[in-house]
Amino acid sequence: EPEVTQTPSHQVTQMGQEVILRCVPISNHLYFYWYRQILGQKVEFLVSFYNNEISEKSEIFDDQFSVERPDGSNFTLKIRSTKLEDSAMYFCASSERGGPATEAFFGQGTRLTVV
Amino acid sequence: AQKVTQAQTEISVVEKEDVTLDCVYETRDTTYYLFWYKQPPSGELVFLIRRNSFDEQNEISGRYSWNFQKSTSSFNFTITASQVVDSAVYFCALSEANTDKLIFGTGTRLQVFP
Repeated sequence: EPEVTQTPSHQVTQMGQEVILRCVPISNHLYFYWYRQILGQKVEFLVSFYNNEISEKSEIFDDQFSVERPDGSNFTLKIRSTKLEDSAMYFCASSERGGPATEAFFGQGTRLTVV
Repeated sequence: AQKVTQAQTEISVVEKEDVTLDCVYETRDTTYYLFWYKQPPSGELVFLIRRNSFDEQNEISGRYSWNFQKSTSSFNFTITASQVVDSAVYFCALSEANTDKLIFGTGTRLQVFP
């Protein structure tokens, strides 16, 4: 069964460093998303991406964050200068179509720890 | 404003008991979608069900059933004859028309003991 793959599963970084979280969405999907979950809290939407553009972003997704689809398979989330409060589980998701009715498939997440 | 409330933080049951997870939502849209996701200890989010606002029919899938009531803005999830493998955090989520994003509740941790 096709799945969304995220690497690494766990990343530890020092405050102020840049990190890139990687995702390989399901191959025929066209819509991509990043969500995050601070430990023990709810899952929060960060950004959606379609046709090489951000289609929607939340207020969390400030100038420190960026997304990119550098090739035909990867979808990345970059945090330019990490802060302690960026520590969270980051989930990538993809869907075949956009819109609210679409089932999004989530990866297993990357746990980011900022020290 | 859109909001999803899962008032039950944690529920513990013994295997074979039935358990209902509550979900109450707020939205001003007349067209919206409701979801349930399961997050097992391994961490991934697993899609369970999607419901649109025009379809209030209850749904049953094996031991799982969902009760959607627009009058009370609720979309509750019942597991019948619970099993240890049902132990997970369950998230209810809302998506409104003209958006791709899911708004999640805070989740309910279900522990099923043998």
